[in-house]
Amino acid sequence: DSGVTQTPKHLITATGQRVTLRCSPRSGDLSVYWYQQSLDQGLQFLIQYYNGEERAKGNILERFSAQQFPDLHSELNLSSLELGDSALYFCASSALLGMNTEAFFGQGTRLTVV
Amino acid sequence: AQSVAQPEDQVNVAEGNPLTVKCTYSVSGNPYLFWYVQYPNRGLQFLLKYITGDNLVKGSYGFEAEFNKSQTSFHLKKPSALVSDSALYFCAVRDVTNDYKLSFGAGTTVTVRA
Repeated sequence: DSGVTQTPKHLITATGQRVTLRCSPRSGDLSVYWYQQSLDQGLQFLIQYYNGEERAKGNILERFSAQQFPDLHSELNLSSLELGDSALYFCASSALLGMNTEAFFGQGTRLTVV
Repeated sequence: AQSVAQPEDQVNVAEGNPLTVKCTYSVSGNPYLFWYVQYPNRGLQFLLKYITGDNLVKGSYGFEAEFNKSQTSFHLKKPSALVSDSALYFCAVRDVTNDYKLSFGAGTTVTVRA
């Protein structure tokens, strides 16, 4: 168990809908990362937060947004969902923002858009 | 941007034989490299990291990795593979040009046959 908790584990929703994925980082970790894993695109970095502030952005669609709250948990909001958004969404956390710190991953949320 | 590449989509070995999973990197400055493993329907698990120092890094589950600066490689190795090592392996690098985001290679599927 990595200590990173993601909810829900599975989500099935219809096209056009909006969903929220939640992540609780390991105790004391200030940095949170979101990744999307799909069969055809591999593991894609979406966005990174550090102590409540957005620090780095990857290939995140405008329909997607995220935030990190004062208690350090994070939420990823996906709206106007399309079939192609079906994927495994991972959250990871690390203690610091430094170069030598590894990130620990949650079990992921499997999103299926029908 | 800093990146890693995994030249092999799949690696197949017999149980008891040595296992090598290849990774090459492209960075400016010092590389900060990581290996992760993903078992089916699970999140990524941290195996080991190279920051500085010895070129041979030892990690979890009997894995080690060899850092080679002249060849810009960071290959993952295990002297004697187990069937339970069958999984998806990812090499990653801290991207110091983009606020230390963790960038992953495409992944290598390892199958160890009994």
